[in-house]
Amino acid sequence: GIQVEQSPPDLILQEGANSTLRCNFSDSVNNLQWFHQNPWGQLINLFYIPSGTKQNGRLSATTVATERYSLLYISSSQTTDSGVYFCAVLKFPGNQFYFGTGTSLTVIP
Amino acid sequence: DAGVIQSPRHEVTEMGQEVTLRCKPISGHDYLFWYRQTMMRGLELLIYFNNNVPIDDSGMPEDRFSAKMPNASFSTLKIQPSEPRDSAVYFCASSPRGSAYSNQPQHFGDGTRLSIL
Repeated sequence: GIQVEQSPPDLILQEGANSTLRCNFSDSVNNLQWFHQNPWGQLINLFYIPSGTKQNGRLSATTVATERYSLLYISSSQTTDSGVYFCAVLKFPGNQFYFGTGTSLTVIP
Repeated sequence: DAGVIQSPRHEVTEMGQEVTLRCKPISGHDYLFWYRQTMMRGLELLIYFNNNVPIDDSGMPEDRFSAKMPNASFSTLKIQPSEPRDSAVYFCASSPRGSAYSNQPQHFGDGTRLSIL
């Protein structure tokens, strides 16, 4: 399977700060998603981004497929951003997503 | 639109009992996935279906686990007999059909938190 490594494993931010989360993967992939698991355990889609850059409000993501990494940017962090951020990748012809171990983010007021 | 719906949200049962988890995917989605999340192993794919047909069940831990998808709007994951090490959060996800060289994002249900005593 594909190895997915996320860094940092843990992150504590003051409210209002910016951060960058990284996802490295060991093989070329056809799909990549970023998820946020909130403190209630729900897994929320953030981005579907096999390549390029996307933005959604204070969050943006960039995937450089040729170099096998993706970055998730969080600007002006809020306490509601707390939780675990997962990166998941998929390579055809299989349909299995491989998840990273996540980055646990705590935003303190 | 309603998202992926899982039931029950929480299940507590004694070792040896049969457990059935249920999932209703998003209407029109062709793929359905069952995942398990534990602290030790993170998120693991157990099995996935395409058009109600199981495609890859290599993640199913052992014969005590079985999954079915009798129609496009319903799937079950059954554990019989259950053991304490099966305690975990079980997620169901669905995604629409993509093209041959693309895929569509997966959407997750809220999960079932299973505790086997």
